[in-house]
Amino acid sequence: AQKVTQAQTEISVVEKEDVTLDCVYETRDTTYYLFWYKQPPSGELVFLIRRNSFDEQNEISGRYSWNFQKSTSSFNFTITASQVVDSAVYFCALTDDDRGSTLGRLYFGRGTQLTVWP
Amino acid sequence: DVKVTQSSRYLVKRTGEKVFLECVQDMDHENMFWYRQDPGLGLRLIYFSYDVKMKEKGDIPEGYSVSREKKERFSLILESASTNQTSMYLCASRDRGRKGNQPQHFGDGTRLSIL
Repeated sequence: AQKVTQAQTEISVVEKEDVTLDCVYETRDTTYYLFWYKQPPSGELVFLIRRNSFDEQNEISGRYSWNFQKSTSSFNFTITASQVVDSAVYFCALTDDDRGSTLGRLYFGRGTQLTVWP
Repeated sequence: DVKVTQSSRYLVKRTGEKVFLECVQDMDHENMFWYRQDPGLGLRLIYFSYDVKMKEKGDIPEGYSVSREKKERFSLILESASTNQTSMYLCASRDRGRKGNQPQHFGDGTRLSIL
């Protein structure tokens, strides 16, 4: 069965600190996809990144970077030089290769509340 | 940009009422989803739909039903609302596209309180 674990329930940092959000997943599938979403206080979930299981290259987008390691089943998210606007709940999610059914359901972790203090 | 619109941002209903939560997407997406979000529990899937009139149970379907009569609209129905259904409800849609790799796009959520 698919499972996503975000062990950090809450993290607090001071502005300009770097912070890493951990995500560990479980799946029996060889083809799967991983996602990160951001949920600011306003409530909507905002898609940040998608990664498939065959692509282990790390990705950087501005202050955001993602480290995908199949050997440890982890897909960690780092924010460099954090800002107050980064305060949000961050969710990691997994979907399996849906073998033609194309249902695409997501399995979410429980989320990490990040608070960045000025 | 994908737009997923939920009919109400905040809703207050009474125990025993039949409650309808509406969700509309404007991108002709095949797949649509309803989640509820509770503190410490993350997002839990209630129901999803992969085509008009098609539906699948998620992880917590008890006490809920859904309707998908048109492709763009996916309704969540609380048949007889109870206080334990007080929660944040999130709707999402997804382009079926290539298998498994299209992100879901979410609405702003409906905060439902059952008194």
